[in-house]
Amino acid sequence: KAGVTQTPRYLIKTRGQQVTLSCSPISGHRSVSWYQQTPGQGLQFLFEYFSETQRNKGNFPGRFSGRQFSNSRSEMNVSTLELGDSALYLCASSRGQGLYNEQFFGPGTRLTVL
Amino acid sequence: AQSVTQLDSQVPVFEEAPVELRCNYSSSVSVYLFWYVQYPNQGLQLLLKYLSGSTLVKGINGFEAEFNKSQTSFHLRKPSVHISDTAEYFCAVSDQTGANNLFFGTGTRLTVIP
Repeated sequence: KAGVTQTPRYLIKTRGQQVTLSCSPISGHRSVSWYQQTPGQGLQFLFEYFSETQRNKGNFPGRFSGRQFSNSRSEMNVSTLELGDSALYLCASSRGQGLYNEQFFGPGTRLTVL
Repeated sequence: AQSVTQLDSQVPVFEEAPVELRCNYSSSVSVYLFWYVQYPNQGLQLLLKYLSGSTLVKGINGFEAEFNKSQTSFHLRKPSVHISDTAEYFCAVSDQTGANNLFFGTGTRLTVIP
């Protein structure tokens, strides 16, 4: 069974640009969550999508947005990039909502903003 | 809201020695508790979780953790570590509302010394 895949694995952008990251969940999983990992702030929850609807959102500015498609694949978008957006962005999928459903994490996309 | 404190940022230990990684949490509601491991350039892997029932939880790779409600702790232990256990370990907490968002600690870097 294929795991969670994230593309691209590495990305370099400049300040002011926008970026789109993609996450393909494990087959049959309908929930996708996104996390940001930085040395200073650690791992922080961005948002969760379930059945194409955003169910939860963390404390991030509106420049961070996402969506989920009918096949459960998810994208997150960051507009007007800032240096502080440099981070490892992790995606996690689970079969359903609620933490009785184990979350499986992808390898992440490392975004560098110059 | 929930929060997690991992008291040790780095823990060096000799191979085959026991190890304990400490985790304390704060929450005004009942919580679920998790330990994840992250190897270099990889995503997070679930080691074990406490959802309900027995307070002693056994996980993968010989790890176990004990939920102590009175001390609001969920320390991770392994009786004999291997070189391959060198990694970053994260404690995480979530409330029981059915949401998939996890609150992570800042991580503990476990280094096993041959």
